[in-house]
Amino acid sequence: KAGVTQTPRYLIKTRGQQVTLSCSPISGHRSVSWYQQTPGQGLQFLFEYFSETQRNKGNFPGRFSGRQFSNSRSEMNVSTLELGDSALYLCASSPESGGAYEQYFGPGTRLTVT
Amino acid sequence: GDSVTQMEGPVTLSEEAFLTINCTYTATGYPSLFWYVQYPGEGLQLLLKATKADDKGSNKGFEATYRKETTSFHLEKGSVQVSDSAVYFCALKGNAGNMLTFGGGTRLMVKP
Repeated sequence: KAGVTQTPRYLIKTRGQQVTLSCSPISGHRSVSWYQQTPGQGLQFLFEYFSETQRNKGNFPGRFSGRQFSNSRSEMNVSTLELGDSALYLCASSPESGGAYEQYFGPGTRLTVT
Repeated sequence: GDSVTQMEGPVTLSEEAFLTINCTYTATGYPSLFWYVQYPGEGLQLLLKATKADDKGSNKGFEATYRKETTSFHLEKGSVQVSDSAVYFCALKGNAGNMLTFGGGTRLMVKP
């Protein structure tokens, strides 16, 4: 099976712009979660989508949003970019939500805000 | 809320040395515990997991035992290789949803 794919792999944006990142989960996986990784804050949970519904949300401002489509692909959007949004954004997919299911991570999208 | 604390790095070892990376957690209920590894420029790979007290997860020579009495999940390997050089993350997941809470990561450097 193909792994989790994320596009694009690298992005450079200007402060104030908005950005959309995409994640395609492993075939058959219904849960997609997003994480932000920065040197200062480490790995932080953004949100989880399961069957097109947001299941959980981390402690991020409303500028961060996401959605999931009927084929389980997910997008996250960041509006009004700030310099502090520069980070590696990782998505992870899992067959189900909850329980001890493993999560499989994609390679990430490296976002740089200038 | 849930939290994970792991030893700060970097940890520098010679090849074939014994490795221990400490991880302790705070959580309500009975979380599942994980170790992930991240190689430069890549995403996270699951290394091993344990889902209940006294479970031992193991993979590629790495082991960790879920100790509820000490709320710990320390990672060990008997003989490290240069190829083990990476950043290691301890994480927990509660019973609702798939949210992972991560420790700060420990960079391991293995010298030949």
